[in-house]
Amino acid sequence: DQQVKQNSPSLSVQEGRISILNCDYTNSMFDYFLWYKKYPAEGPTFLISISSIKDKNEDGRFTVFLNKSAKHLSLHIVPSQPGDSAVYFCAASIASGTYKYIFGTGTRLKVLA
Amino acid sequence: GAGVSQTPSNKVTEKGKYVELRCDPISGHTALYWYRQSLGQGPEFLIYFQGTGAADDSGLPNDRFFAVRPEGSVSTLKIQRTERGDSAVYLCASSLSLAGGDEQFFGPGTRLTVL
Repeated sequence: DQQVKQNSPSLSVQEGRISILNCDYTNSMFDYFLWYKKYPAEGPTFLISISSIKDKNEDGRFTVFLNKSAKHLSLHIVPSQPGDSAVYFCAASIASGTYKYIFGTGTRLKVLA
Repeated sequence: GAGVSQTPSNKVTEKGKYVELRCDPISGHTALYWYRQSLGQGPEFLIYFQGTGAADDSGLPNDRFFAVRPEGSVSTLKIQRTERGDSAVYLCASSLSLAGGDEQFFGPGTRLTVL
C-alpha cells in the first residue's frame, strides 16, 4: 500500500522552462512534506519542505505547493537548469509520535540544454 | 567531512552469510534513521534511534535484521542469514532532533549485493 505516490517516473524539460513534479498521498495524518533530490551514487539531499498549515513555500527557484483537500503536492522549479537533472523524491511524515519519512518512488528529471 | 558517512560503500556477500553495515552520523545529531532503497523504489523506513534507544523499529522486515547504537553515535545494521531479496542500497540519515519534519541528512549508502 503506497501511501505516497509519484505517478510520473520521468520528466524531460528544456533548460530555462518550468519543471513541475507531482506527488499524491493517501494518509490524511501526514502533516509535513519534503522534497529530496538524489544524484547517482549519492544519498538524497534535502531540497524544500512544507508544513500542512501552509499551502506554499518558496526557496529561490524552488516552490512547493500543497493542496490538502486533494492530498496533492507539487514542486515547481523555475527556471530549470541542467544541474537540476536528478531523481526527485517526495516524502511525508507525521510530526507527533513518529518521525519516519514515507517516500514516493521518485521522478527522474532531465533538463535538456 | 562533516556529513553522514557509511561503510562499506559496497558489500557483496553470499546467501546465508552475516553482514554488518556501519553509519557515522553528523556529530551532535541525536536522531538516526536507517532506510532501504530497492531498485526503482524510494527509500523505505527500517528503524530510528533517539540517542541509544530504538524509538521505532516497525520497518524492520523480519527478525534477521537488527540495529544497535550503543553510545548514541555510531550505528550498526546487522543482517543475519542474508537472502537475495536483501540486496538493496541501505541508507542512513541523521537529524538534530526528533522534532517533526526536522531535515534528515543522508549518507551515500551501502550497496549490498547478496549472491
